[in-house]
Amino acid sequence: DAGVIQSPRHEVTEMGQEVTLRCKPISGHNSLFWYRQTMMRGLELLIYFNNNVPIDDSGMPEDRFSAKMPNASFSTLKIQPSEPRDSAVYFCASSLAHRANYGYTFGSGTRLTVV
Amino acid sequence: DQQVKQNSPSLSVQEGRISILNCDYTNSMFDYFLWYKKYPAEGPTFLISISSIKDKNEDGRFTVFLNKSAKHLSLHIVPSQPGDSAVYFCAASSKAAGNKLTFGGGTRVLVKP
Repeated sequence: DAGVIQSPRHEVTEMGQEVTLRCKPISGHNSLFWYRQTMMRGLELLIYFNNNVPIDDSGMPEDRFSAKMPNASFSTLKIQPSEPRDSAVYFCASSLAHRANYGYTFGSGTRLTVV
Repeated sequence: DQQVKQNSPSLSVQEGRISILNCDYTNSMFDYFLWYKKYPAEGPTFLISISSIKDKNEDGRFTVFLNKSAKHLSLHIVPSQPGDSAVYFCAASSKAAGNKLTFGGGTRVLVKP
């Protein structure tokens, strides 16, 4: 298995532009998580899905952020409009819901820079 | 409100010696604790975990200790190797919260040859 695949690896965009981050979870995993890593706040959970359904989006910072999971093999995190303070590394992770305590598998992340 | 805290942002240790990483939590509902290791430009990878019904779990050079009364856990790496140089995150979860992981801020470990 190729693991959790995120694209793009790096994204540089201008303030006000729309940004879309993509994630392909491990086949068979039914839970998907979006995390953001910053120096100030460490790794913070933005939203997670079970069986393609959003369960908890309390970590989504503002209405500018939205996430979708149209099927079991694909998820997107969209920021519109983007702002410089959104600059961070965004990680996607997946797991089997009943085995979450055995750890998530993370992708390599998307480094977002908003200028 | 940070429910999981790693108060030491960095740690430097000599190769062959013990590395001790600490983590404190505030939520008494947490019932599972994990440590992740992260290299630059990669995602975190699962290292070791412990259930709240235990106070110790060992896997090779890595041992995690849990003190529930103090709401404290630690990770011991013995002996430390240069390849252990990375950022280590502790994380906690609870069944009540759907097993989502809450992470600490991380501790950067440097193992000097």
